[in-house]
Amino acid sequence: RKEVEQDPGPFNVPEGATVAFNCTYSNSASQSFFWYRQDCRKEPKLLMSVYSSGNEDGRFTAQLNRASQYISLLIRDSKLSDSATYLCVVNLNTGGFKTIFGAGTRLFVKA
Amino acid sequence: DTAVSQTPKYLVTQMGNDKSIKCEQNLGHDTMYWYKQDSKKFLKIMFSYNNKELIINETVPNRFSPKSPDKAHLNLHINSLELGDSAVYFCASSRRSGTATYEQYFGPGTRLTVT
Repeated sequence: RKEVEQDPGPFNVPEGATVAFNCTYSNSASQSFFWYRQDCRKEPKLLMSVYSSGNEDGRFTAQLNRASQYISLLIRDSKLSDSATYLCVVNLNTGGFKTIFGAGTRLFVKA
Repeated sequence: DTAVSQTPKYLVTQMGNDKSIKCEQNLGHDTMYWYKQDSKKFLKIMFSYNNKELIINETVPNRFSPKSPDKAHLNLHINSLELGDSAVYFCASSRRSGTATYEQYFGPGTRLTVT
């Protein structure tokens, strides 16, 4: 089983739609969690951190369920510019520090 | 001002050559990383340095040798390049406080093509 698994893509949605991405992680030593966005041929960029209480940033809402080892990202009112690959990222602390990236979920938002 | 910069942006070279990629960050971070993103777009960590000390060394051929002359720089030297080394290499940096690791900031990537 992969350490970080994401929904297989691609997701094709119309503008204005709400879309949700899921991510599961296998290591209970996972300590901090993030969603990154990567545009084609660009570097990954931090979209938002994920906090235990859940957090929102404009149209984006992230949730964390430590008991189920599950992270989600909800995008409301999708824009064309949201088209990108969304990466779930987990930091582990197992005596040493390690960052694990999920394989990413591709989102296409169409007019 | 560029926070994390890498040079070169593109690198085309022949099998068997030795090449280096340089990375610099001006964010004052104490931890730097090298990642490889292959043709399937999977991003995998290769190395991590904290305060110039190697703390993560994933299963990477020893043809790859990172060097951190100071906290702001992390270079990657690759010997005897192989076709399978073709990928995009990203440098990143973050800060670390106690047992907490914070978000990472990535450089623009170096697209390496080995022919």
